[in-house]
Amino acid sequence: DQQVKQNSPSLSVQEGRISILNCDYTNSMFDYFLWYKKYPAEGPTFLISISSIKDKNEDGRFTVFLNKSAKHLSLHIVPSQPGDSAVYFCAASDASGTYKYIFGTGTRLKVLA
Amino acid sequence: ETGVTQTPRHLVMGMTNKKSLKCEQHLGHNAMYWYKQSAKKPLELMFVYNFKEQTENNSVPSRFSPECPNSSHLFLHLHTLQPEDSALYLCASSPGGNGYTFGSGTRLTVV
Repeated sequence: DQQVKQNSPSLSVQEGRISILNCDYTNSMFDYFLWYKKYPAEGPTFLISISSIKDKNEDGRFTVFLNKSAKHLSLHIVPSQPGDSAVYFCAASDASGTYKYIFGTGTRLKVLA
Repeated sequence: ETGVTQTPRHLVMGMTNKKSLKCEQHLGHNAMYWYKQSAKKPLELMFVYNFKEQTENNSVPSRFSPECPNSSHLFLHLHTLQPEDSALYLCASSPGGNGYTFGSGTRLTVV
């Protein structure tokens, strides 16, 4: 059973508009969440994180929102730029001390110029 | 330079071959990981090493054999693979807390 789900495999957004990428999880023990961005032929790179003690974290154009009761997080990119076109993965970890992250399947974002 | 270097970047091997993937990190991290990325699937955790000791084997077939001689180096030895093992193999390291640094991956094709 997939513990971290990204139900939208792809998303297209016009340049300058908002991109919203969604992620759902099933394990209530997850307490730390990450978003990674991946370009073709490269490894994923860290984008932004959020701890379960917060419901929002912002870094420039990127904001992550966490709704613990709904077990849902989202990544907002405003304004979207063509260079944001990539695959975005969300990942979650629990406090068990194993330092392992469970990843979703990814959402391919295409920002149209 | 990501701080995590994987070699080779691409590998084509026959089902009877033996090959090894190498990962090296220069970040002083104590935890290292192998992940597999197949098309339309989540990144799948394969192995976790913490201070050179294996702490997790995620039911990986024995044709994949990891080795961690020290906290900076991680290998994945491959033998008698199947075509369905073709994937992107990603190495990551972590200081043992919040998040990973990934390498660029090895694109493996088994023919």
